[in-house]
Amino acid sequence: GAVVSQHPSRVICKSGTSVKIECRSLDFQATTMFWYRQFPKQSLMLMATSNEGSKATYEQGVEKDKFLINHASLTLSTLTVTSAHPEDSSFYICSAMTGHTGELFFGEGSRLTVL
Amino acid sequence: GESVGLHLPTLSVQEGDNSIINCAYSNSASDYFIWYKQESGKGPQFIIDIRSNMDKRQGQRVTVLLNKTVKHLSLQIAATQPGDSAVYFCAATIGGSNYKLTFGKGTLLTVNP
Repeated sequence: GAVVSQHPSRVICKSGTSVKIECRSLDFQATTMFWYRQFPKQSLMLMATSNEGSKATYEQGVEKDKFLINHASLTLSTLTVTSAHPEDSSFYICSAMTGHTGELFFGEGSRLTVL
Repeated sequence: GESVGLHLPTLSVQEGDNSIINCAYSNSASDYFIWYKQESGKGPQFIIDIRSNMDKRQGQRVTVLLNKTVKHLSLQIAATQPGDSAVYFCAATIGGSNYKLTFGKGTLLTVNP
């Protein structure tokens, strides 16, 4: 079946640095990718919708300058957490959709720890 | 906005018993619902889905029931096994597709051997 890969799976960084997380669809083209954030023992919260070749659409309350999303190709979307702070520590999960109304596949998540 | 919530945050069952996990949604326009299983440190795994034109759908050992009148759905797991231990989320969306799912809070299912 279709696979969505996230990299890195775990990352630790110092406060004030920026971290990039990649989300790749390995065997299909994903016009749309979604980025979620999940705090411990909580649900997935949609951060933004990433469409290939256009600007991401951010959910209310998500700072677009803080969480930079780039969807430069049909198989890759990146999330960059800029000037990370400890409160940005979370589990970031992406999902990729085949076409605009197709199947949805989730990545395995990337755990960010900001010291 | 839409919210999706769960009645119970934790559920503990004995191996072999049936499990029932509940979920309530608030947006009556929601027309597509999905149950996901999430193991610790991993991404969500699709279990079963149901569209609003149905009230029941069965899979392998799992059944989803949808009650649109009270905006409630449930996931039933038959003969629960230790490998079923995980957090279960319901998700809902509008438009009948996977576009912009809204997730519920999650229920931690623990299966005791």
